[in-house]
Amino acid sequence: EIVLTQSPATLSLSPGDRATLSCRASQTVNNYLAWYQQKPGQAPRLLIYDASNRAIGIPARFSGSGSGTDFTLTISSLEPEDFAVYYCQQRNWPPAYTFGQGTKLEIK
Amino acid sequence: VYLVESGGGLVQPGGSLRLSCAASRFTFSSYAMSWVRQAPGKGLEWVSRISGSGDSTYYADSVQGRFTISRDNSKNTLYLQMNNLRADDTAVYYCTKDQASHDSWGQGTLVTVSS
Repeated sequence: EIVLTQSPATLSLSPGDRATLSCRASQTVNNYLAWYQQKPGQAPRLLIYDASNRAIGIPARFSGSGSGTDFTLTISSLEPEDFAVYYCQQRNWPPAYTFGQGTKLEIK
Repeated sequence: VYLVESGGGLVQPGGSLRLSCAASRFTFSSYAMSWVRQAPGKGLEWVSRISGSGDSTYYADSVQGRFTISRDNSKNTLYLQMNNLRADDTAVYYCTKDQASHDSWGQGTLVTVSS
């Protein structure tokens, strides 16, 4: 089973700051890496799929990068609504779509 | 895309429950679908996936042999039959539409396994 490790567990930043979230896979996931945002009491929302493709309706301040085993989600300038929990997920074959443990982005 | 889960509730350990997910506003049979769960205060866990035709199904090791995913494309509905439920199955269960990833999610239904 592929294990995804997200870092840091908690990230404390201010609106307007740049956020960099990391996701590392225990073996290559062939760029089948997605990022989700979840706010309290809400379902997750897809932000990025296949490592670097923004989902429909996602603002340009969100970007994904990386390949193989190391991936990054960058939020270029934080808006107040961006403070949430972020999960990465891989969809390797056979499809065992494991998630990372999450990074909580909190207001400093 | 509109996904509405139902069927959650309180069940005793060892019991069974069937979840449903009614889909609308997209061509249901064209897309694979998944169930993803989230235990209270915990992270996300993928549970199961089914192809658009229903011919192929996949399960997480934690539910293999106890849960069965199925779909009725004539009714635009996804199902999850859960048998031999355990306390650690307690979670909000989400159904998702799968294109490149889980691109759309329902609001979730809570399953509580407790005596």
